[in-house]
Amino acid sequence: GAVVSQHPSWVICKSGTSVKIECRSLDFQATTMFWYRQFPKQSLMLMATSNEGSKATYEQGVEKDKFLINHASLTLSTLTVTSAHPEDSSFYICSQTGTGGADTQYFGPGTRLTVL
Amino acid sequence: GQNIDQPTEMTATEGAIVQINCTYQTSGFNGLFWYQQHAGEAPTFLSYNVLDGLEEKGRFSSFLSRSKGYSYLLLKELQMKDSASYLCAVKDSNYQLIWGAGTKLIIKP
Repeated sequence: GAVVSQHPSWVICKSGTSVKIECRSLDFQATTMFWYRQFPKQSLMLMATSNEGSKATYEQGVEKDKFLINHASLTLSTLTVTSAHPEDSSFYICSQTGTGGADTQYFGPGTRLTVL
Repeated sequence: GQNIDQPTEMTATEGAIVQINCTYQTSGFNGLFWYQQHAGEAPTFLSYNVLDGLEEKGRFSSFLSRSKGYSYLLLKELQMKDSASYLCAVKDSNYQLIWGAGTKLIIKP
């Protein structure tokens, strides 16, 4: 498996501010991490794939200038929601592939973002 | 297009057995995953199938039929803590993970 942590677990911010979410791999070096968003009662939506030392790959429809991803080390990837608005309120989850084989993804505990 | 179908919600009784089905139509197939997600929490990995047949892991089993594009997750001896959403996900030919919307399982005493 893999142990992934996220910080913060929840955040409330005012509209227009930027919020940074950290995703750490605690027991496994992750060259690739994934960022998901999940709205209430909906499925996971992949936002981007974060690659260590290079630019992230964003899914269609996800604004790369709004959701800044930095993967500067093998154990840390960050997602910054810039100029957040109420519609950005969601549950943000990172994951990485671990040692389970078949590229099984192991998820962090998630960050609940509420934009007022 | 790519599609994963699961029932939206199921109800079962504590101690009973429940089967959650998943059908998929994807461009290629490189494995199917089942995850459990409790409300307000992130998904946790349950099982992985890439070959046809049944994989058993304790109270949980997962079955795959590639020719039918079909899988099920079988939960035995249901406990109240099994109340959660169960997500089916398929890895396509590009190794992209396609997620189902999840099945909310409600366990009643």
